[in-house]
Amino acid sequence: DIQMTQSPSSLSASVGDSVTIACRASQSIGTILNWYQQKPGKAPKLLIYVASSLQSGVPSRFSGSGSGTDFTLTISSLQPEDFATYYCQQSYSYPLTFGGGTKVEIK
Amino acid sequence: EVQLVESGGGLVQPGGSLRLSCAASGFIFSSFAMSWVRQAPGKGLEWVSGISTSDESTYYADSVKGRFTISRDNSKNTLYLQMNNLRAEDTAVYYCAKYRGWSNPRIDYWGLGTLVTVSS
Repeated sequence: DIQMTQSPSSLSASVGDSVTIACRASQSIGTILNWYQQKPGKAPKLLIYVASSLQSGVPSRFSGSGSGTDFTLTISSLQPEDFATYYCQQSYSYPLTFGGGTKVEIK
Repeated sequence: EVQLVESGGGLVQPGGSLRLSCAASGFIFSSFAMSWVRQAPGKGLEWVSGISTSDESTYYADSVKGRFTISRDNSKNTLYLQMNNLRAEDTAVYYCAKYRGWSNPRIDYWGLGTLVTVSS
């Protein structure tokens, strides 16, 4: 199985900050990597697919990059509604696997 | 509007069984692969199982293989998860999820989830 490791597990940031979350796969997965946002008590929401494609309706301040084993999610100017937990997920092979999550908190 | 509504969760004793259902609407159910994803209290997301459009292909996480069975009824626009021999570690919110694609899927819609609690 492919293991997904996210870092950091949590971070504190202020509105307007630029934030970067890292995700590493235990083997090469090309660009078959998705990012989700989850707010407390809510279902996750797809943000980015195939590493860098923005899901319809998602603000352009969200961007993704990377290939192979190393990926990043960047939020260019953090907004109050962006405080949430973010998960990466590989769809390169079954079983699909998620990273452990990164909680973005208000500083 | 895509809607996924889970039902069937509840409290069950260790070793017991439950069947979850997910009623889908707002899209052509038979044209999309589907999945179950769970989240233990205060924990991260865990993919559980996936099923292709005509249930010819199914996949399971190692943690549930041999105990859980995913199925679908395209005539009823409904996805199922039969859970047997439940363990305390199966306690979680179970989300029904719609795939975009099958070989390299992304989950583009999620239900609100149903809570399964395994406890004596």
